[in-house]
Amino acid sequence: DGGITQSPKYLFRKEGQNVTLSCEQNLNHDAMYWYRQDPGQGLRLIYYSQIVNDFQKGDIAEGYSVSREKKESFPLTVTSAQKNPTAFYLCASSPGLAATGELFFGEGSRLTVL
Amino acid sequence: GEDVEQSLFLSVREGDSSVINCTYTDSSSTYLYWYKQEPGAGLQLLTYIFSNMDMKQDQRLTVLLNKKDKHLSLRIADTQTGDSAIYFCAETPIRGSTLGRLYFGRGTQLTVWP
Repeated sequence: DGGITQSPKYLFRKEGQNVTLSCEQNLNHDAMYWYRQDPGQGLRLIYYSQIVNDFQKGDIAEGYSVSREKKESFPLTVTSAQKNPTAFYLCASSPGLAATGELFFGEGSRLTVL
Repeated sequence: GEDVEQSLFLSVREGDSSVINCTYTDSSSTYLYWYKQEPGAGLQLLTYIFSNMDMKQDQRLTVLLNKKDKHLSLRIADTQTGDSAIYFCAETPIRGSTLGRLYFGRGTQLTVWP
């Protein structure tokens, strides 16, 4: 079945360590996104990519990095520079500019910094 | 910038109707969305409405859009316990280069009592 797969579902990290969250989609979508969700704060956009080898910062990009080397993959690295990384991270994709803008979400990755 | 506001909590009895409200500031919004998030999961699109429509009905769901007041509502008829979840309002602006970049409200936690 087509969809978006995020891994791992749960991740624990010590302070000062970088960690990479995986996001893979087999929907043949051009655009991919990373959102961060904190309780009561809704979703905030970290990075997005509308095409392979190109990506843009969202509203809270500091302390994060991404790459888009393949259409189906958009990994997110949470670096040690991110001051408060404990959160629920959601990856999404959309068909691109020609569509209605609907996002298709993965099941999320919960990162806890110990 | 874009701003989407929702009340944080709503409680209803099983069988009653639920109405979740949302206001937004961007008058150039093209599509407005309602997403549902169950605990520990990603978001799923419930329905969306194009900005030149006033109402859209889909089975138990009715979306009303008041463009003058920039107010969007989601009515769930005959609410069931399985409808308990967080409901997010979202909008995407008309600027073509950002179509697919959604702006989300903080989410409304709907609790349905048996």
